[in-house]
Amino acid sequence: KAGVTQTPRYLIKTRGQQVTLSCSPISGHRSVSWYQQTPGQGLQFLFEYFSETQRNKGNFPGRFSGRQFSNSRSEMNVSTLELGDSALYLCASSPGLAGVQQFFGPGTRLTVL
Amino acid sequence: AQSVTQLDSQVPVFEEAPVELRCNYSSSVSVYLFWYVQYPNQGLQLLLKYLSGSTLVESINGFEAEFNKSQTSFHLRKPSVHISDTAEYFCAVSTKTRDDKIIFGKGTRLHILP
Repeated sequence: KAGVTQTPRYLIKTRGQQVTLSCSPISGHRSVSWYQQTPGQGLQFLFEYFSETQRNKGNFPGRFSGRQFSNSRSEMNVSTLELGDSALYLCASSPGLAGVQQFFGPGTRLTVL
Repeated sequence: AQSVTQLDSQVPVFEEAPVELRCNYSSSVSVYLFWYVQYPNQGLQLLLKYLSGSTLVESINGFEAEFNKSQTSFHLRKPSVHISDTAEYFCAVSTKTRDDKIIFGKGTRLHILP
């Protein structure tokens, strides 16, 4: 089975712009979670989608949003980018509940200038 | 809510020496515990997990971790490290509830010295 894929792998944006990141989970997996990874804060949970419904949400401002499609692919969007949004964004998929085991993609490195 | 503490942000160790990476968690309910590894410029990979049963769990590359409920710990150990073990290691916890999520520690960077 192919692993979790994320596109694009690298992205450079300027402050105030918006960005959309994409994640394709492992075939058959219904749960997709998103994380932000930075050197100072480590891995922070953004949200989890299961069967197109948001099941859990972390403590991020409303500029961060996501959705999941019927084929389980997921996108996350960040509007009005700030310098502090520069990070590695990781997507993880699970066959069922995210709390049991997750399989991670390689991440999208976002740089905000 | 649960939380995870990795006391050491960096651990230097000589090649072929033993290593222990410490992880403590806090939760009022039963937990699942995980160790993930992140090699440079890659995503996270599951190293080992404790879901239930034997409190000692092992990975295929020589790491092991022991779930200690009384000390709320899940320390990762390897008797002899190799240069290829250089990576960042993340301890994670989730509770055995339907809608819970995995919470990660801040990570421990393992430096293997020649």
